[in-house]
Amino acid sequence: DAGITQSPRHKVTETGTPVTLRCHQTENHRYMYWYRQDPGHGLRLIHYSYGVKDTDKGEVSDGYSVSRSKTEDFLLTLESATSSQTSVYFCAISDNKGNEKLFFGSGTQLSVL
Amino acid sequence: GQSLEQPSEVTAVEGAIVQINCTYQTSGFYGLSWYQQHDGGAPTFLSYNALDGLEETGRFSSFLSRSDSYGYLLLQELQMKDSASYFCAVMDSNYQLIWGAGTKLIIKP
Repeated sequence: DAGITQSPRHKVTETGTPVTLRCHQTENHRYMYWYRQDPGHGLRLIHYSYGVKDTDKGEVSDGYSVSRSKTEDFLLTLESATSSQTSVYFCAISDNKGNEKLFFGSGTQLSVL
Repeated sequence: GQSLEQPSEVTAVEGAIVQINCTYQTSGFYGLSWYQQHDGGAPTFLSYNALDGLEETGRFSSFLSRSDSYGYLLLQELQMKDSASYFCAVMDSNYQLIWGAGTKLIIKP
């Protein structure tokens, strides 16, 4: 299995608070992604990174920011959490731009009350 | 807009064969991927088709017809452990994966 660790695995927070989710990889893959998964929507891309300090927005980036200061770490921040951001968040990695084969972390279940 | 359509649920019997279809409408197309996800787990990669035709990997096969914007995942000799959700995903012209909503496969003994 690819070495991807997400933390925390579960988090409950209150509306309006900032939240940071962490993704750590040991594969030295260049590309990293943050997805959210909601019933009936499949996976939706929030942000992705194609190298240290190189990031770009996905289709549902509003309310989220990311940072990648090291190859192995990709952080997702909810600047002011809202109930609509209650979801399961997955980090994924790939070693090429044509990212047909992604390796996923175990996910973070986030509840915003 | 971009969209992928797949059935929300499919039921089959252990030992049988099942086909999960996926039709897509996207801006650009590089290939069709399939992923499996067990309840509470992470998606795992199954297959990728960039060219028309059938790709076989053990009990699983994946088919693509680019002219019909259509593909399917074929699972043979179904086992109870195959009970999961299956997602198709298209790589668009920006090299990003656009995902279907998933098909829940229910297997009965």
